[in-house]
Amino acid sequence: RKEVEQDPGPFNVPEGATVAFNCTYSNSASQSFFWYRQDCRKEPKLLMSVYSSGNEDGRFTAQLNRASQYISLLIRDSKLSDSATYLCVVGWGSARQLTFGSGTQLTVLP
Amino acid sequence: EAGVTQSPTHLIKTRGQQATLRCSPISGHTSVYWYQQALGLGLQFLLWYDEGEERNRGNFPPRFSGRQFPNYSSELNVNALELEDSALYLCASSLAGMSNQPQHFGDGTRLSIL
Repeated sequence: RKEVEQDPGPFNVPEGATVAFNCTYSNSASQSFFWYRQDCRKEPKLLMSVYSSGNEDGRFTAQLNRASQYISLLIRDSKLSDSATYLCVVGWGSARQLTFGSGTQLTVLP
Repeated sequence: EAGVTQSPTHLIKTRGQQATLRCSPISGHTSVYWYQQALGLGLQFLLWYDEGEERNRGNFPPRFSGRQFPNYSSELNVNALELEDSALYLCASSLAGMSNQPQHFGDGTRLSIL
């Protein structure tokens, strides 16, 4: 079993749609959670950290369920510029090592 | 404020050669991380340096090594290059502290082995 598993996608949605990505992690001792986005052949860029209480940043909402070891990302009112691969990232402990999911590809269509 | 910078942008080598990749972290960041991303695959953790010391390494052979300098910049060295080493090598940096500090990535070095 992979340490971080994501919906493989690809997700193809029209502009203005709402889309949700899911991610599960296997290490119950995980302490930090992030969503990154990666454009084709570019470096990953931090989209948002994920907090236990859930958090929102504009059109983006992240949720964490520690009991189910599940993280989600909701994108409302999708824009063409949201097209990218979204990476679920989990970290733990003093090793401070982040484990990246394999990513979910999103294409927003005009 | 400058982000993480990596050099060179592209590097072409042949099998058996050695490659050196360089990374400068964001000012104030003391931790540097190296990742390998082969074409179509996810990021694989290589190495973590903090305060000049190697703190952790991923599941890679010893021919992957590196170091961190007193100014917190870092080098990744890959010896005896093999064809499967062709990949995008990404460097990231973060503030010191616990794992809730996000990592910020450079543009990467694309290493091609002929």
